[in-house]
Amino acid sequence: GAVVSQHPSRVICKSGTSVKIECRSLDFQATTMFWYRQFPKQSLMLMATSNEGSKATYEQGVEKDKFLINHASLTLSTLTVTSAHPEDSSFYICSARDFAGIQETQYFGPGTRLLVL
Amino acid sequence: GESVGLHLPTLSVQEGDNSIINCAYSNSASDYFIWYKQESGKGPQFIIDIRSNMDKRQGQRVTVLLNKTVKHLSLQIAATQPGDSAVYFCAETGGNQFYFGTGTSLTVIP
Repeated sequence: GAVVSQHPSRVICKSGTSVKIECRSLDFQATTMFWYRQFPKQSLMLMATSNEGSKATYEQGVEKDKFLINHASLTLSTLTVTSAHPEDSSFYICSARDFAGIQETQYFGPGTRLLVL
Repeated sequence: GESVGLHLPTLSVQEGDNSIINCAYSNSASDYFIWYKQESGKGPQFIIDIRSNMDKRQGQRVTVLLNKTVKHLSLQIAATQPGDSAVYFCAETGGNQFYFGTGTSLTVIP
């Protein structure tokens, strides 16, 4: 299947700082990428849909000014957690759609563990 | 809105036995389904998919069954191994949006 990478895999930061997470589709182009958040033993929570060349679409309750998303190319989307606070500590996962053949499939990145002190 | 749910939140099986993980979906318009495996601390991994024009699809040690009449999806894992221990969840889509189930935690007992 298609490969999606994330960087960094783990980050620890001080409260008030900003953290950027990169999501890359390695062997396909993705016009649409998705950002999820996942707390321990819980399911994925969609935060936003990242569209190449246009503004991201945020889910209800997700602050767009706090979680900045940029999808500058067909293989890269970035999520920046601005002024991070301890409650932002979570597992952030991106996914990308690969349209190969007759069906789009969504592939996930390995996730980024964020710990805000 | 649409929802995808699982019958069992946890499942424990003996190593070597077969595992069956179930998923119910509510959107009749969904025509594509995926099973993912998520190990602790990792992102979800694509396992197998099935389109609505099929009832069954087999992969390596895994089989997905689709019953459109009762909107039910299942994942069967043959000869379950310790490495199969993970959370499994299904996803459905009928167009642009993918909907994910909560997940079932599978524990394989050696």
